[in-house]
Amino acid sequence: KAGVTQTPRYLIKTRGQQVTLSCSPISGHRSVSWYQQTPGQGLQFLFEYFSETQRNKGNFPGRFSGRQFSNSRSEMNVSTLELGDSALYLCASRPGLASSYNEQFFGPGTRLTVL
Amino acid sequence: AQSVTQPDIHITVSEGASLELRCNYSYGATPYLFWYVQSPGQGLQLLLKYFSGDTLVQGIKGFEAEFKRSQSSFNLRKPSVHWSDAAEYFCAVGAQYGNKLVFGAGTILRVKS
Repeated sequence: KAGVTQTPRYLIKTRGQQVTLSCSPISGHRSVSWYQQTPGQGLQFLFEYFSETQRNKGNFPGRFSGRQFSNSRSEMNVSTLELGDSALYLCASRPGLASSYNEQFFGPGTRLTVL
Repeated sequence: AQSVTQPDIHITVSEGASLELRCNYSYGATPYLFWYVQSPGQGLQLLLKYFSGDTLVQGIKGFEAEFKRSQSSFNLRKPSVHWSDAAEYFCAVGAQYGNKLVFGAGTILRVKS
């Protein structure tokens, strides 16, 4: 079974632009979560989607948004990019919401650099 | 609020030596605990997890961890480290029905030959 895939793997943008990152979960997984990883703040939860609905959200400004499609693929969007948005963005998937499904499988990440 | 503390930012061990990475958590309910490993430029790979039951859990690559509720700890151990174990290790805690993982700051493991 293929793992979590994220595209693109690397991205360079300038301040003020917007960016869209894509995540395809493991086949059959319906929950997708996003995390931001920076040297200063570490790994921080952004949001989770299940059945096309946002289920949980971390403490990030409204410039960070996401969505999930009927095939469980997810996208996250960051508008009006700031230098501090430079980070590795990780996507994780799991089969569902039940407690036995708490194990998350992570993708390789998208490295976003904002200049 | 949930929190995870990994007191050691860097650890250096000799190849073949034993390893213990420390993790302390703060959580109000039954914690779901995880250890992940990240190689440079890569995503996170799950080493092991604890949900309930036996407090000593075995994982992949010869790693094990012991859950100690009284000490709020979930330390990762390996009896003999290999050079390929050099990476960054993250401890994380999650809720029973939640998906949000709270991660520690990570411990960078260096292995010297």
